[in-house]
Parts: sequence; structure tokens; C-alpha cells
Amino acid sequence: QQPVQSPQAVILREGEDAVINCSSSKALYSVHWYRQKHGEAPVFLMILLKGGEQKGHEKISASFNEKKQQSSLYLTASQLSYSGTYFCGTDRDYKLSFGAGTTVTVRA
Amino acid sequence: DTEVTQTPKHLVMGMTNKKSLKCEQHMGHRAMYWYKQKAKKPPELMFVYSYEKLSINESVPSRFSPECPNSSLLNLHLHALQPEDSALYLCASSLGRGRNSHEQYFGPGTRLTVT
Repeated sequence: QQPVQSPQAVILREGEDAVINCSSSKALYSVHWYRQKHGEAPVFLMILLKGGEQKGHEKISASFNEKKQQSSLYLTASQLSYSGTYFCGTDRDYKLSFGAGTTVTVRA
Repeated sequence: DTEVTQTPKHLVMGMTNKKSLKCEQHMGHRAMYWYKQKAKKPPELMFVYSYEKLSINESVPSRFSPECPNSSLLNLHLHALQPEDSALYLCASSLGRGRNSHEQYFGPGTRLTVT
């Protein structure tokens, strides 16, 4: 079942912060975050595992509330390079289901 | 080398044609995936191979036929496709499929147009 992402889109100025949320109605083992720029492949950002372990980029931060089946990705001091569509992927039954995506536009 | 390569980049085929998409990785990954992505939509899982065996088929129509000749290669054979099959086809790989939940590395995709 597809996780629910919000917001659908966000426009930022360089240096501003944003939060992208991802929630699931089912229990999760882990949450993945990917970013896809227009015309390119999705690129791995972070995995948050049940139990609190995280794997990913040092400059990207995220949280995972296992009890609520929710994850949030924090874009801090945004840069132009942060623009793209962010997908969360929830791991259940050994496969990823991606949310609909959040389009982030960072303007100078 | 953290690269997944896919060929061709673009493919236009008629509904009666037979074609194949190819994916290759040399990272020693033992899980490989095919996804289909329509414009402004997330990737949708089609198939998963684990240790060269098909482990997941997400009820994909038989006009799509996957093949994993060895641990580095993944093919998707296409036959008698419909115009609604036009999409970006993404290949991905990961270290494994176990509960360590490994990150997936995606190839650049093949943009398929069915006429």
C-alpha cells in the first residue's frame, strides 16, 4: 500500500527550511528517502530503520516514528541543488512502495 | 563504482515488435529490480530478482518478461505492448533484500514509447 506524502509541493528561497512528511497505515520495518531531478534517476538519500538506526547523507536529516508509522525529512538551509522530487519508500514484505512525491523548488 | 547502466536510453516500438531492455551493475549486488514510472508519478515496482531468481512479480502482464542471465545483468523482454505501456523503465540494484533494508541504486532508465 502506497504511503502518503505531504505536502505535494513546496517553494523555498535559498537558506529556508522545509519538512516533508510520509505516513503509512501499516507497520513498517524501514523508510527510505530518494530524490529525483527532472529527467534523471532517483538517488538514494537516507534509510531509517526500526530501532533507530539511520544510514545516509550527513547533511540530510530525518526522523522515523515507528509507533505512528511516520517519517519526516528535514531540508535545512536549502540550496539550489535541493530542487527535485522527493519520494519516501516504505519497506514492507521485502519491497518498496513509494509515496506520490513532493516537488521541491528552491529559488535564488 | 556505484553505477547501474541501462540500454537503450530511448526506444520507440510498434505494438507488434519484440524488443529488450538491458541493465547492468558491477557492485556485487544480489538483488535487482525493474520499475515502471509514468510522468509525475512515483516508480512502481514490477519485478524483483534475488540471487538471480525471480522473487516478486507484481502481477505484471505477460507481455513483459524479465530475465536474469547472471548476477550482474537484468533484461526485460517486451512483446506486443500497448500504448499505455509507454513510460520510463528504471532498473535498480541493492546489496540484498534482507531485513537490513539496503539502499537501491537506480539506473538512468529507458524511455519507452509504444506506437
